[in-house]
Amino acid sequence: GAGVSQSPSNKVTEKGKDVELRCDPISGHTALYWYRQSLGQGLEFLIYFQGNSAPDKSGLPSDRFSAERTGGSVSTLTIQRTQQEDSAVYLCASSLDLSQPQHFGDGTRLSIL
Amino acid sequence: GNSVTQMEGPVTLSEEAFLTINCTYTATGYPSLFWYVQYPGEGLQLLLKATKADDKGSNKGFEATYRKETTSFHLEKGSVQVSDSAVYFCALSGMGSSNTGKLIFGQGTTLQVKP
Repeated sequence: GAGVSQSPSNKVTEKGKDVELRCDPISGHTALYWYRQSLGQGLEFLIYFQGNSAPDKSGLPSDRFSAERTGGSVSTLTIQRTQQEDSAVYLCASSLDLSQPQHFGDGTRLSIL
Repeated sequence: GNSVTQMEGPVTLSEEAFLTINCTYTATGYPSLFWYVQYPGEGLQLLLKATKADDKGSNKGFEATYRKETTSFHLEKGSVQVSDSAVYFCALSGMGSSNTGKLIFGQGTTLQVKP
């Protein structure tokens, strides 16, 4: 497929467990973004990658959240010691560069029991 | 800081009615402005954009004009269809040397079009 791919599409886990969310951007897109969509907070920016580096991590809500990107392609968002307030849809987007529109994946719906 | 405010929904219209969804923004410099749409069960899609003052973005019969004097980017469509039922998000992206392209979104407006 040509679009942004995210996995898993749904994840249910117990409070306190760690989770990893994966994003496969569109091939050739150098910029990659993670956002979170929740009922109370709407759509919030989490982190931005240019290539493999993350010049803007300002949206990560706590040090339990981290992300990496390897090979200028796949990115993983990791949440450690999950809390109920982490329940949300996590969206990944990619773009050719900063000046181009972002293309979004379908998201991972994370539910913390 | 930068922010986006949208009119609250839900908005319920009959088919062929005129649509306006208001969006205003607060930003330093000259941001780019966007409307994204999220159809039921689908991901976010870019609907239209404008990158400078007085630009008009348009797509699928929707239009929005970048009004710097009123810091607004209202979405309009002359005749809505049932298939336009979705959640619409207004967003901005900052400019300048510190620009990372990150999007700041409004809260979203749910549109329901009835036949």
